[in-house]
Amino acid sequence: NAGVTQTPKFQVLKTGQSMTLQCAQDMNHEYMSWYRQDPGMGLRLIHYSVGAGITDQGEVPNGYNVSRSTTEDFPLRLLSAAPSQTSVYFCASSLRRSTPNEQFFGPGTRLTVL
Amino acid sequence: KNEVEQSPQNLTAQEGEFITINCSYSVGISALHWLQQHPGGGIVSLFMLSSGKKKHGRLIATINIQEKHSSLHITASHPRDSAVYICAVRPLTLYYGGSQGNLIFGKGTKLSVKP
Repeated sequence: NAGVTQTPKFQVLKTGQSMTLQCAQDMNHEYMSWYRQDPGMGLRLIHYSVGAGITDQGEVPNGYNVSRSTTEDFPLRLLSAAPSQTSVYFCASSLRRSTPNEQFFGPGTRLTVL
Repeated sequence: KNEVEQSPQNLTAQEGEFITINCSYSVGISALHWLQQHPGGGIVSLFMLSSGKKKHGRLIATINIQEKHSSLHITASHPRDSAVYICAVRPLTLYYGGSQGNLIFGKGTKLSVKP
C-alpha cells in the first residue's frame, strides 16, 4: 500500500492563479480531509469528506473547493490564489469518521503564493 | 478558542533524558491522538487512546479522561526523537454536533535532543 499520496510537494503561484492539489489513498478509507499548517498554529481543517460524493466545510474553507468523485481521490482546488494561502497543506484519511480511527497523513505540499 | 493546549512549546534535552510532553483539553472527547512530525517531513500517528496507557518501544502515552489531560513520555531520548509532537482530540457529538469526528489539534511541542 502506498498510503496517502500528495502531489506536488512544492508549488509557487502568483496571486490570482488557480491550481489543484492532488490527494489519493489506497486503503479504502471513507473519511478524507485537508488541513493547512501555519507557523504558531495547530493544523486547521479546510474541507472533509465522509465518502464519495459527500463533502463538507471545515474551519477555514474560504478560497478552496473540493470534490470526491471516487473513494480514492480528494483533490483540493485553489480558485484564485492569495498570499494568505501560503502554507503547508496536508491531506489525511481514516477508515471512517463515525468511530475513532488511526489517522494517516500524506507527505504535505508546501505552497507559496507571491 | 484553545480547546487543546500543549506544554511546553519548546523542549531541549540531552540524549538519554526522560522527556514528558503534556496535553490538556477542554471538551469531552472520544479519543486523543499523539502525532509526530520530523523537520520538513510528514505527520505520523504514534498513538490513539481513549483511556489508560499505551506503550510502543520507548514511547508511552497516558490519558486521564476525568482530568482532561494526556502525557507523552519518551524514555532514554535520542537525537532521532527530535521532532514536533502534536496532540489532537476527537470531540464528542455533544460539543460539536455535525462536526463530531473531526479532530482539533494542539499547536505542537518542538523537541530537540542533543547528543
